[in-house]
Amino acid sequence: EAGVAQSPRYKIIEKRQSVAFWCNPISGHATLYWYQQILGQGPKLLIQFQNNGVVDDSQLPKDRFSAERLKGVDSTLKIQPAKLEDSAVYLCASSLILEAKTQYFGPGTRLTVL
Amino acid sequence: AQSVTQLDSQVPVFEEAPVELRCNYSSSVSVYLFWYVQYPNQGLQLLLKYLSGSTLVESINGFEAEFNKSQTSFHLRKPSVHISDTAEYFCAVSPSNAGGTSYGKLTFGQGTILTVHP
Repeated sequence: EAGVAQSPRYKIIEKRQSVAFWCNPISGHATLYWYQQILGQGPKLLIQFQNNGVVDDSQLPKDRFSAERLKGVDSTLKIQPAKLEDSAVYLCASSLILEAKTQYFGPGTRLTVL
Repeated sequence: AQSVTQLDSQVPVFEEAPVELRCNYSSSVSVYLFWYVQYPNQGLQLLLKYLSGSTLVESINGFEAEFNKSQTSFHLRKPSVHISDTAEYFCAVSPSNAGGTSYGKLTFGQGTILTVHP
């Protein structure tokens, strides 16, 4: 069974530029999560999807961050415009259903904003 | 709301020595408890979890954790570590009450870097 796929693995941009990250969850997984992991901290949930609907986006900075999961499978997280403090690893995770007790994580995208 | 505190940011230990990584949590509702491991340049992997039943849970590679409700702790232990256990370990909780807005949402601690020296 293939795991959660993410791309790109690394991205370097300058502040005020835009960037997008892509995630492909495990096949059949209805729930998808985006986390932000700043160096030295644990992952923090940004947004949670159930199929193509948003369950929780209370910690997503909506003035610059957006995410979508149009067909209930792949997801894209966008930052526009980026700030220095957005430098972090962006992790995507999926679970079979919302009630599932285990989330499976992708390798992450390391973003550096200069 | 939930919060997780991992009491040690770094734990150095020699190979074959025992180790304990400490985790305390705070929550107004019942929670599930997890330990995840992150090897260098890899994603998070589930190490073990407590959902219900026996308060002592074990992983396939010799780690164990014990849920202590009165002390709101979920410390991770291994009696004899290997070089390959070098990684960052994260404790996490999620609400166990279905229907709540936070159901399924993981709250992580800040991580403990375990370094095993030869």
